[in-house]
Amino acid sequence: DAGVIQSPRHEVTEMGQEVTLRCKPISGHNSLFWYRQTMMRGLELLIYFNNNVPIDDSGMPEDRFSAKMPNASFSTLKIQPSEPRDSAVYFCASSPRGPGGYTFGSGTRLTVV
Amino acid sequence: TQLLEQSPQFLSIQEGENLTVYCNSSSVFSSLQWYRQEPGEGPVLLVTVVTGGEVKKLKRLTFQFGDARKDSSLHITAAQPGDTGLYLCAGAGANAGKSTFGDGTTLTVKP
Repeated sequence: DAGVIQSPRHEVTEMGQEVTLRCKPISGHNSLFWYRQTMMRGLELLIYFNNNVPIDDSGMPEDRFSAKMPNASFSTLKIQPSEPRDSAVYFCASSPRGPGGYTFGSGTRLTVV
Repeated sequence: TQLLEQSPQFLSIQEGENLTVYCNSSSVFSSLQWYRQEPGEGPVLLVTVVTGGEVKKLKRLTFQFGDARKDSSLHITAAQPGDTGLYLCAGAGANAGKSTFGDGTTLTVKP
């Protein structure tokens, strides 16, 4: 298995533009998580899905952020409009049922200028 | 909200030394994971512990889950430069589908 695949690896955009981050989880994993990592706040959970259904989106900062999981093999995190304070590394992770832990992707480094 | 506190926040040691990092909470967890993250990459799962008092070994790394399942420790014997990275612990409650992450311990092992 190629692991959790995220794209793009790096994104530089101007304030006000729409940004879409993509994730392909490991086949057979039923949970998918979107995290944001910054030096100041560490790893923050934004939203997670079970069987493609959003379960907890309490970590989504505001209405500018939205996430979808149209099928078991694909998820997107969208920021519209983007702001400089959204600059961070965004990780997608997936996990199977049970307490086995997560497999993370390599992340998308987002810079909003 | 379940909070995990990791200590120390930063640790810099010489190659060959031993070290222990800690992960503490006032909450009980049904399972706890340790991850290592290297610059430019996502965290990589090292181990999962689920039973109070459980000890797991992974080569030079020893992981222990507290008897009350509120805390954990990671001990590294004879540290090597390749052990350098950010070590994160994460805990999940009994009915939670998500894990809470600590802020991590940044370890630097100097050759």
